[in-house]
Amino acid sequence: NAGVMQNPRHLVRRRGQEARLRCSPMKGHSHVYWYRQLPEEGLKFMVYLQKENIIDESGMPKERFSAEFPKEGPSILRIQQVVRGDSAAYFCASSPRDSPTGELFFGEGSRLTVL
Amino acid sequence: QKEVEQNSGPLSVPEGAIASLNCTYSDRGSQSFFWYRQYSGKSPELIMSIYSNGDKEDGRFTAQLNKASQYVSLLIRDSQPSDSATYLCAPNGGNLIFGKGTKLSVKP
Repeated sequence: NAGVMQNPRHLVRRRGQEARLRCSPMKGHSHVYWYRQLPEEGLKFMVYLQKENIIDESGMPKERFSAEFPKEGPSILRIQQVVRGDSAAYFCASSPRDSPTGELFFGEGSRLTVL
Repeated sequence: QKEVEQNSGPLSVPEGAIASLNCTYSDRGSQSFFWYRQYSGKSPELIMSIYSNGDKEDGRFTAQLNKASQYVSLLIRDSQPSDSATYLCAPNGGNLIFGKGTKLSVKP
């Protein structure tokens, strides 16, 4: 019974490259959330998606960042033209319910390092 | 702008003592409240939820909620070194906004 799966666990990119982070929610979950955590900082909400729909992207930077959750396959957080400030842990969480209840199940995170 | 305030700590308590973690929030519409624990380098995990004013106990953990004061707390009795982690408060008011967390250190 797999939990939330994120890959890659660690990703190194040079400035200007693209980073793609993937998240497969728990079985039966159709809601995905992405959070970013800087070192010694709290979790910052980025985006909330359901299958084929972005429900709330109020936490996403306006440029370079995008997210999708297609009908088939994992959710993907895409960061174009990465900069050093993008270095962080990116956590994905999933929930089985229609509205956020707080009972989120987190993946182990993807740690992005931008050189 | 919804805000969640927590004392960042570190909060240091001796083994066996009671650790008290506090959280205030700005959104009066929040109806449910959650405490997550995050060990260093790991992902957050849910440890307590509370929906009504008053206390809720689960083992060594007690969550306390006061909606009028917009205040929620977590008490950890008989603290153990394994409780050393960052504790994140998350009121639910739409999207799950987390506080920055309080780092707890339990000294043997």
